[in-house]
Amino acid sequence: DVKVTQSSRYLVKRTGEKVFLECVQDMDHENMFWYRQDPGLGLRLIYFSYDVKMKEKGDIPEGYSVSREKKERFSLILESASTNQTSMYLCASSLSIDYEQYFGPGTRLTVT
Amino acid sequence: GQNIDQPTEMTATEGAIVQINCTYQTSGFNGLFWYQQHAGEAPTFLSYNVLDGLEEKGRFSSFLSRSKGYSYLLLKELQMKDSASYLCAVGRDNTDKLIFGTGTRLQVFP
Repeated sequence: DVKVTQSSRYLVKRTGEKVFLECVQDMDHENMFWYRQDPGLGLRLIYFSYDVKMKEKGDIPEGYSVSREKKERFSLILESASTNQTSMYLCASSLSIDYEQYFGPGTRLTVT
Repeated sequence: GQNIDQPTEMTATEGAIVQINCTYQTSGFNGLFWYQQHAGEAPTFLSYNVLDGLEEKGRFSSFLSRSKGYSYLLLKELQMKDSASYLCAVGRDNTDKLIFGTGTRLQVFP
């Protein structure tokens, strides 16, 4: 069974703080993704990584950065959290283009 | 531009059949996925279509017409546990990236 885990289910941070969201997958998948999910807007891609140290911007990368130092781990970084980054953050991984993405349980981040 | 449209909400009765439509306009096409997402949970994979036609998997079927930019998810013999959001997603730009629709929230009543 594919397992994607995320470091926290709920997180509360203050405006201006640096925030790290960690994601780990155990199936040796090449691709890893970070999304945010907001009511009425659906899932939007923030960043995508197709290999170690490789990353590609998604549709809404502003205010975020990512790190992939090991194949199984993909981190999302909010350099200076803002209230408009309050959201549900979902990590996913996939084997390749023809295969489904497996999602982690999500992190609900609140920035106050 | 890139766009995926699906109805916001649908309701149906237990035991009935429901069809959830999805239309899309994307640059490049690498297949269409359907995911199910229960409230407060992560999306889980239901189906994948890359060629035109119908794919059947138990109570769930998915149809694709690439020329029309159209897909539907058909749920038969509805059960209460099928109450969830159903997300349509299209692979685009000849990459592994997906663009998601905003989801259709299905409520099944007894």
